[in-house]
This record gives sequence, C-alpha cells and structure tokens, in this order.
Amino acid sequence: VQLVESGGRLVQPGGSLRLSCVASGFPVSGHSMNWVRQAPGKGLEWISYIRGSADMTYYADSVQGRFTISRDSANNSLYLQMNSVRDEDTAIYYCSREGDSGSFADSWGQGTLVTVSS
Amino acid sequence: DIVMTQSPDSLAVSLGERATINCKSSQSVLYSSNNRNYLAWYQQKAGQPPKLLIYWASTRESGVPDRFSGSGSGTDFTLTISSLQAEDVAVYYCQQYYSTQYTFGQGTKLEI
Repeated sequence: VQLVESGGRLVQPGGSLRLSCVASGFPVSGHSMNWVRQAPGKGLEWISYIRGSADMTYYADSVQGRFTISRDSANNSLYLQMNSVRDEDTAIYYCSREGDSGSFADSWGQGTLVTVSS
Repeated sequence: DIVMTQSPDSLAVSLGERATINCKSSQSVLYSSNNRNYLAWYQQKAGQPPKLLIYWASTRESGVPDRFSGSGSGTDFTLTISSLQAEDVAVYYCQQYYSTQYTFGQGTKLEI
C-alpha cells in the first residue's frame, strides 16, 4: 500500500489549486479516504472524507463550501480541489486510507505542502 | 463536534520507564450496538506522516511493538508505553472516529 500526494505549491489568498493522491496496492473504490492537514508546528486537523463508493462526502467546518474531495477509479487517485484559499490553509496535506474494519487511518502518504501567501 | 483533549502536552520519560498519555473526549465514543470505542492512537515522528498504533481503543496495529497498549472506554482513554525506547520519541495523537466529523487531540510530545 502506498499513497503519494502532489500538487502543493505557493498560492495567493483567494486562489485555487488541486491536490492529488495516487494510490497503489489497493483500489481507492474499495476504501474510504480522507484528507488531513497539519499547519506548521501544529497538530493534525481532519478536513475531508469520501466513502469508497464516492456517494458520501464530509467536510470540516473550516473548509466546507471551499474545498471538494473526489476520487477517480481509472487513475486510482484521490483529489482535493481547494478554492478561495486563505492564509490559515497553509499546511502539509496528507491523504489517508481507512482500514478494512473501521474508520481509522491505517495508511498515510508523505504529504504535500501548501503555502498561502501574497 | 467532539473535542479530544490530551494530557499532558509534553512528557519526559527515562529510557526503560513507563510513559502514559491520556485522552478525554467531550462525549462518549462508545457505540452501544457493538460495544466498541471509536478511538485510535497515532505516532508521528519528526518529519514523517502519522502512523497508526492502536484502534478500537485497545487493538494494536499489526507490526506495532507490544510495549504499546491502549485502554479506556467511553470518554477516558490511555496510551501506555511500558518500557520507553529511544525510537519512541515522537508526538502522539488520539483521534475519535465515532462522529462523521473526525477530530484529533492536540498531541502529546514525548521526549527522553
């Protein structure tokens, strides 16, 4: 099982970017997935969930209405579309896979850094 | 949202000694229908992503050394490292997955 994130970069406040997470060793359609972020020197913050069937998504209040989670079975990838970004969105963004028997994250990617600054 | 509060924020323990980290949830994470506590523990070493240690409050993930153990139920949980090793230096987080809005504790920094 491997998760590799990409897409993080410097972006201006109010801008947009899309993060990707390529999965290998398992089908993304078979597991629920999450995005979790970590601001510099801070703790972990869960921000979004997608069911393996992609028929259910959840968001933290801090990103609701600005971020959109999705997945693509053909590319075996997870995505996070980030719109109207703010300074406080600066963080390392991790994708994670939920376990077979419960909603705990049993695999994590190495993360991709998003910096929001003018 | 369920608020997870860990204590202490930081902890220094001698090699070979026991380390204990506490986690308290603002509401019960015990699901009565299956009698399971929806609580996980993660370890994050410097510059690395988190790693799952414990799930269902007390089930050790495959490959995790047996010096790590989890206990507790309802709203109060504990992660115990029975004999601290140098490689256990890390920040430890609890997380509830009872609610659809997952939440983490603020983290406990463990040092030698």
